Amino acid sequence: EVQLLESGGGLVQPGGSLRLSCAASGFTFSSYALSWVRQAPGKGLEWVSSISPSGVGIYYTDSVKGRFTISRDNSKNTLYLLMSSLRAEDTAFYYCANAYCINITCWSPGHWGQGTLVTVSS
Amino acid sequence: DIQMTQSPSSVSASVGDRVTITCRASQGISNWLAWYQQKPGKAPKLLIYTASSLQSGVPSRFSGSGSGTDFTLTISSLQPEDFASYYCLHYHSFPLTFGGGTKVEIK
Repeated sequence: EVQLLESGGGLVQPGGSLRLSCAASGFTFSSYALSWVRQAPGKGLEWVSSISPSGVGIYYTDSVKGRFTISRDNSKNTLYLLMSSLRAEDTAFYYCANAYCINITCWSPGHWGQGTLVTVSS
Repeated sequence: DIQMTQSPSSVSASVGDRVTITCRASQGISNWLAWYQQKPGKAPKLLIYTASSLQSGVPSRFSGSGSGTDFTLTISSLQPEDFASYYCLHYHSFPLTFGGGTKVEIK
């Protein structure tokens, strides 16, 4: 059974930093692209960032470029999102997800974690 | 960037009704489109990928169609467990973009 478990969320002041982790199991971690998707409370889904199986291909939505860094450790089956210079508008549930298949074109999320809440407020 | 326009934003329907949700891409995306279902307080669940392929374990009353710029998610006979929000997502190129969502409510 595929499992994705996010951690690291919490309350942080504007301008602060936070690192999210996503521990994965139940699939061959190093073969799948991974993504972070966020959802502000009561709002729709927003894609944040994706990383290729090797970690070479990395992509971000414009609003987080230069502030967020996605990375993965294939030896630990763990995905990360380092968030810095946080703003109130970054407040959201953050979900990690694996791609729905292992082909190079399979960027769309398949299995999702349960999410972790990040609140940016003074 | 490719924009996804989803409609309607909400729909009221009864058990047994046929429900259709549409997504329009601002430029052609071939069939690189997925559909997700999300229930309150839960993570999204993949229903359809490559516009019309049913994800394993998803009931056959869900179907997807379309190619290019216009796409449709159809629920052939709405069941009580289908009341939820639905989102389309294009993955033709980065940045990936979700539609605004459709809330399917009980009539």
